[in-house]
Amino acid sequence: ETGVTQTPRHLVMGMTNKKSLKCEQHLGHNAMYWYKQSAKKPLELMFVYSLEERVENNSVPSRFSPECPNSSHLFLHLHTLQPEDSALYLCASSQDHGEPNTIYFGEGSWLTVV
Amino acid sequence: GQNIDQPTEMTATEGAIVQINCTYQTSGFNGLFWYQQHAGEAPTFLSYNVLDGLEEKGRFSSFLSRSKGYSYLLLKELQMKDSASYLCAVMDSNYQLIWGAGTKLIIKP
Repeated sequence: ETGVTQTPRHLVMGMTNKKSLKCEQHLGHNAMYWYKQSAKKPLELMFVYSLEERVENNSVPSRFSPECPNSSHLFLHLHTLQPEDSALYLCASSQDHGEPNTIYFGEGSWLTVV
Repeated sequence: GQNIDQPTEMTATEGAIVQINCTYQTSGFNGLFWYQQHAGEAPTFLSYNVLDGLEEKGRFSSFLSRSKGYSYLLLKELQMKDSASYLCAVMDSNYQLIWGAGTKLIIKP
């Protein structure tokens, strides 16, 4: 139990579907992150939120849309995805962004696009 | 560009010692992290080095040489539960984490 909870753990969706991934952290952290993890590749940072404000967007396609309604919750809205978007999506949090903080990960949401 | 290199896969024997190397080239340096990730689970924090030298934490130790852009994670008295992927990450001058692709460690009886 890392203090970061992600749902659903597994998701299969068609290319025309709309779905959302949810993340909740119980650590009182101010920064939250979405990462994409593909087999044998480095973790790819997708989005960073600090105090509910988006601070980084690393050239992610618009078919991925993040939402951070408060400092404890983070969503990733998915629409018209491609098969190559199939991956493990990890949410993470840290005390603050912009400092050498340890980040804590959720267990991830396995996404399969068919 | 920024780059983190670590071996893709290593195999070791239960009870033995294994060293997982990580070399990096980044824009600035604000520390190096090691994470452990069991299959299907969250990456979990193992260690953080910002100064040169060896940090020991039980059976696990992490070493850093900033001048050489090099770190290693040393695992002693290997147990079957140590079978996992080990991720090396460097925090650059913008406090962004640059990740390696991970080293899959296989422990055999």
